[in-house]
Amino acid sequence: IAGITQAPTSQILAAGRRMTLRCTQDMRHNAMYWYRQDLGLGLRLIHYSNTAGTTGKGEVPDGYSVSRANTDDFPLTLASAVPSQTSVYFCASSAELATDTQYFGPGTRLTVL
Amino acid sequence: AQSVTQLGSHVSVSEGALVLLRCNYSSSVPPYLFWYVQYPNQGLQLLLKYTSAATLVKGINGFEAEFKKSETSFHLTKPSAHMSDAAEYFCAVSVTGGTSYGKLTFGQGTILTVHP
Repeated sequence: IAGITQAPTSQILAAGRRMTLRCTQDMRHNAMYWYRQDLGLGLRLIHYSNTAGTTGKGEVPDGYSVSRANTDDFPLTLASAVPSQTSVYFCASSAELATDTQYFGPGTRLTVL
Repeated sequence: AQSVTQLGSHVSVSEGALVLLRCNYSSSVPPYLFWYVQYPNQGLQLLLKYTSAATLVKGINGFEAEFKKSETSFHLTKPSAHMSDAAEYFCAVSVTGGTSYGKLTFGQGTILTVHP
């Protein structure tokens, strides 16, 4: 069982370009999440989805969009990347919201120049 | 809204010494509390979680944490540090009510260094 996979592992991107970070889970979890990790700030929630077909905004949603067309996939899109979006991005999933353990992917390191 | 404060961004201990990583939370409704560990260049892994059952929670690798409502704390401890414990540790809170339902809020992290 792979758990959660993320792609790409790392990416250098020019400002203004569009970028989609991919996330796939094989645990049939209902809930999925996107976080960004920045030094000294811990992890901050960008967007979440509590089930296929629904999404919600987290703490820092501006500049990002998500979709949840099916249970397994939860892509994160940066429509027009800016340098402040340089970060490490983690996708996670859990069986249900709130009470269940969140399982994390290995992360995508994104640099916007 | 809930919040988490981890006291000390860096903690250094000797191998075999007690590990104590501090976490205080703020929540207007009963919280669920988690400790996660992150090894270099990896994602986060769950160490333990409190979900309103026993206040003393035992996790993996010999770690445990005690939920103290009166102190709004959920400190992580391990009696004897091992070199392999060197990592970054995150405390997190989730709630089952209100506008923040289901959202996990993380502390800023504590980097644990273990010296031989």
